[in-house]
Amino acid sequence: AQKVTQAQTEISVVEKEDVTLDCVYETRDTTYYLFWYKQPPSGELVFLIRRNSFDEQNEISGRYSWNFQKSTSSFNFTITASQVVDSAVYFCALSRDYIQGAQKLVFGQGTRLTINP
Amino acid sequence: EPEVTQTPSHQVTQMGQEVILRCVPISNHLYFYWYRQILGQKVEFLVSFYNNEISEKSEIFDDQFSVERPDGSNFTLKIRSTKLEDSAMYFCASSEPTGTNQPQHFGDGTRLSIL
Repeated sequence: AQKVTQAQTEISVVEKEDVTLDCVYETRDTTYYLFWYKQPPSGELVFLIRRNSFDEQNEISGRYSWNFQKSTSSFNFTITASQVVDSAVYFCALSRDYIQGAQKLVFGQGTRLTINP
Repeated sequence: EPEVTQTPSHQVTQMGQEVILRCVPISNHLYFYWYRQILGQKVEFLVSFYNNEISEKSEIFDDQFSVERPDGSNFTLKIRSTKLEDSAMYFCASSEPTGTNQPQHFGDGTRLSIL
């Protein structure tokens, strides 16, 4: 069975601080995909990143960076120089490597991030 | 940028009534999904759909639930006899047919309130 754990329920920081959101996953599959989604106060789910299990290179996109470590089954997300607009609930998700067909995402519980001015 | 659209944004229904939630996926996408999120909780997979049939469904998706793609653009979720515990945000998503494990793009959700 697959499982995603986001142990941090809520994080609150002051604007411009760096913040890291933790994600730990469990799977018996040798290949799989990991995702991060953002859910702002308006409620929609916004795709941020997809990473496959055989690519352990870290990724940076502007102020966002992701650290994938297969050895510890973690896929952590760091926001550098946080801004108030980063305030949202962030979900980590896991999917099997579907050769074809529709995939199923297994989500973590989410981390509510509040950036205070 | 193309997006997934869901209607209505909020649906209030009496317990025991049937409800249909509607979604228009992104036009060139061929994989469709429904998820739900009970208030304050995580997002849970309900069902995936491809080539006019269900690909996978969760334990939540029991006989009270059904999905349909009645035409080339809409994708619906029907709950036959709603229960109080069906109150949740329901998200529709779609993904591209090319490659594998393409990211799912979500709609804004329909908030379903059962009274």
